[in-house]
Amino acid sequence: NAGVTQTPKFQVLKTGQSMTLQCAQDMNHEYMSWYRQDPGMGLRLIHYSVGAGITDQGEVPNGYNVSRSTTEDFPLRLLSAAPSQTSVYFCASSPGLAGAIQETQYFGPGTRLLVL
Amino acid sequence: KQEVTQIPAALSVPEGENLVLNCSFTDSAIYNLQWFRQDPGKGLTSLLLIQSSQREQTSGRLNASLDKSSGRSTLYIAASQPGDSATYLCAVESSGYSTLTFGKGTMLLVSP
Repeated sequence: NAGVTQTPKFQVLKTGQSMTLQCAQDMNHEYMSWYRQDPGMGLRLIHYSVGAGITDQGEVPNGYNVSRSTTEDFPLRLLSAAPSQTSVYFCASSPGLAGAIQETQYFGPGTRLLVL
Repeated sequence: KQEVTQIPAALSVPEGENLVLNCSFTDSAIYNLQWFRQDPGKGLTSLLLIQSSQREQTSGRLNASLDKSSGRSTLYIAASQPGDSATYLCAVESSGYSTLTFGKGTMLLVSP
């Protein structure tokens, strides 16, 4: 298994440009989520999904869109990039509930985004 | 709203020392608590996961404890090594949707 993969690894955008950060997992996990990591702020949840066709907002959703058409893929779209979106973005997946037990999460290697 | 705090923010120790990293959370209604390791410029590696019904988990030189009622967890690292140098993140799952609330981390430096 490749686990959780993210592309690109690094991206530079100009203010106002749009782009899609890709995330894929090959573990047949139902739950997937996107976080951003900023110095002094820690990791914060952007959006998450509990299965194909189901998404919801996290703590910092503004400026981002997601969709989940398949179990494997969970892309994150920046509609009009702003310098405040300069960050490192991590995608994670999890099997979710197994009975009453929440399983561990698996993180991708991250995408470093610089918005000028 | 769940909040997670990690103390200390940074820690520097000589090789061989035993050390404790602390994590506290404000809402005790959690499913689990996880400790992660993050190396500079890298992703997150899960170290230990403690379910809400458990009191501790061990993996090699690492031992994590959980006191849910008081909202505290500790990560104990025995006989520290330079290879343990990294940022250690504590995170709690309290939503039921496999989403995590993270602390800001403890940056550990183990010198030879």
